[in-house]
Amino acid sequence: EDQVTQSPEALRLQEGESSSLNCSYTVSGLRGLFWYRQDPGKGPEFLFTLYSAGEEKEKERLKATLTKKESFLHITAPKPEDSATYLCAVQASGANSKLTFGKGITLSVRP
Amino acid sequence: DSGVTQTPKHLITATGQRVTLRCSPRSGDLSVYWYQQSLDQGLQFLIHYYNGEERAKGNILERFSAQQFPDLHSELNLSSLELGDSALYFCASSAAGGLIETQYFGPGTRLLVL
Repeated sequence: EDQVTQSPEALRLQEGESSSLNCSYTVSGLRGLFWYRQDPGKGPEFLFTLYSAGEEKEKERLKATLTKKESFLHITAPKPEDSATYLCAVQASGANSKLTFGKGITLSVRP
Repeated sequence: DSGVTQTPKHLITATGQRVTLRCSPRSGDLSVYWYQQSLDQGLQFLIHYYNGEERAKGNILERFSAQQFPDLHSELNLSSLELGDSALYFCASSAAGGLIETQYFGPGTRLLVL
């Protein structure tokens, strides 16, 4: 069974203090790994898709990387508006294109 | 705004009742997925429809059912509701039926069963 584990569960940073969020996964053939951002009471907002080990993608202060067992979301010089829950999900090879999600990391950035 | 719409935003009902949640996918998307999000379980896949046909099922209870109509909107029907069914229900849509593609999520329906 596909599994996604995210750590830490919660992270509090000072504005400008860079850090990384971890997503470990086990899947029977990875088709894609996805990062989403979710604000309280809202739907997940797509950030990145990574397809193969070694791949990196960047958007503003966020950079996502992928290895064969885990993915990292690096946040450089975060701002208070980066406060949200960050969700990692995997899509396995095969006929079922469902996403299997981790429980998320709640990031709080203090001004 | 992802382009996926869901109605209603909030729903309050009693145990034993039946409700219908509605989802309209992004323009041009053929796939609709339904997910349930609760505090302890996180986001859980329920069911996937592609162009009107059921493609895959997750841990969807027998009391729950879904369909996708010819205009591609989808409805999730929840019956004999229990307290534990209280959760956020999201639908997501994607362009095709199973390739590597992004799923875009709607704003969700918050269901409270009293």
